[in-house]
Amino acid sequence: ETGVTQTPRHLVMGMTNKKSLKCEQHLGHNAMYWYKQSAKKPLELMFVYSLEERVENNSVPSRFSPECPNSSHLFLHLHTLQPEDSALYLCASSSAGSLRNTIYFGEGSWLTVV
Amino acid sequence: TQLLEQSPQFLSIQEGENLTVYCNSSSVFSSLQWYRQEPGEGPVLLVTVVTGGEVKKLKRLTFQFGDARKDSSLHITAAQPGDTGLYLCAGARSSNTGKLIFGQGTTLQVKP
Repeated sequence: ETGVTQTPRHLVMGMTNKKSLKCEQHLGHNAMYWYKQSAKKPLELMFVYSLEERVENNSVPSRFSPECPNSSHLFLHLHTLQPEDSALYLCASSSAGSLRNTIYFGEGSWLTVV
Repeated sequence: TQLLEQSPQFLSIQEGENLTVYCNSSSVFSSLQWYRQEPGEGPVLLVTVVTGGEVKKLKRLTFQFGDARKDSSLHITAAQPGDTGLYLCAGARSSNTGKLIFGQGTTLQVKP
């Protein structure tokens, strides 16, 4: 059972395509995150939204555009990506201000850019 | 700069053996979490430790947070093939944010 659901699970797109990844959390959390996981590299934090406001953008290229319309939904809009952007994109959520800082991940969207 | 060093990066053992995975840093963390991840899936939370010296047990898994809250270990007793996976440690620098710093991960293979 996962309280964070991501769609699609797998996506293949060309470098000129526009696509979006969707994330929905059912845990009542007020913070959401996008992480990138590439082979042989630690998970990289991309964006943080707390109370629907973007509070962090870790120098992510503008071809990645996040959107958080409410505290339960998070999108990652993709445009003119490069093959090196192929990776597992993980959405996560947490309760901002929680002492334990526990974040819960979705199952990920596996992206292949051709 | 890798703030969390996880070791070993790869471990292949026989069923029934014991093992320990280490997560070390020169920085202090307000909390530290351990995750297990299977190929193509998202990380699944195993435990969160908050207090220096804290020890938590989850069946055959024992987690310890260092007294100075700079390091942590995961010990598995009598490993089973079902324990196979990628184990990730992640530390939070601040108590009011869920932003985590991840280690490189330890890939564990338990052979029957």
